[in-house]
Amino acid sequence: RKEVEQDPGPFNVPEGATVAFNCTYSNSASQSFFWYRQDCRKEPKLLMSVYSSGNEDGRFTAQLNRASQYISLLIRDSKLSDSATYLCVVTPGGGNDMRFGAGTRLTVKP
Amino acid sequence: DGGITQSPKYLFRKEGQNVTLSCEQNLNHDAMYWYRQDPGQGLRLIYYSQIVNDFQKGDIAEGYSVSREKKESFPLTVTSAQKNPTAFYLCASSPSDSVPYNEQFFGPGTRLTVL
Repeated sequence: RKEVEQDPGPFNVPEGATVAFNCTYSNSASQSFFWYRQDCRKEPKLLMSVYSSGNEDGRFTAQLNRASQYISLLIRDSKLSDSATYLCVVTPGGGNDMRFGAGTRLTVKP
Repeated sequence: DGGITQSPKYLFRKEGQNVTLSCEQNLNHDAMYWYRQDPGQGLRLIYYSQIVNDFQKGDIAEGYSVSREKKESFPLTVTSAQKNPTAFYLCASSPSDSVPYNEQFFGPGTRLTVL
């Protein structure tokens, strides 16, 4: 089993749609969780950290479910500019030993 | 203007040649990392360094070597022993490896193609 698993997609949605991604992780002792965004042929950039209580940043909401070992990302009112690959990142032992999922590709269409 | 730079952006190499990828940061970060990204796979850690003159192997260190002589610089050498070197190489840095939740900042990457 991979340490971090994501549905590769692609998710093709119309502008204005709400879309959700899930990511599962295998190490129950994992401490830190993140969503990164990666545009085609570019470097990953931090979208948001995921806290135990869940957190929201504008149209983006991240949730953590420790019991089921998954994190989620919800994007509301999708924009064309949201088209990208979304990487789930988990830090198994704290510090900065990051484990990356393979990413979920999102395409938002007019 | 702070950030991480990688050079070159594209690199072509013949089989059997060693090649060195540059990574420089002016963010005053202690920790630096090298990842490799292949299509359909997550980033995989090659080497990381928490302080100058010290570095540790990541998950896929075979066929690679690094040095950390200066805080700002963490070059990666892809040797001829690396069996499948064609990939997208990403360098990252973070303020400290001992502090949890720290964001890693990535450079723009180098695409290496072995001909």
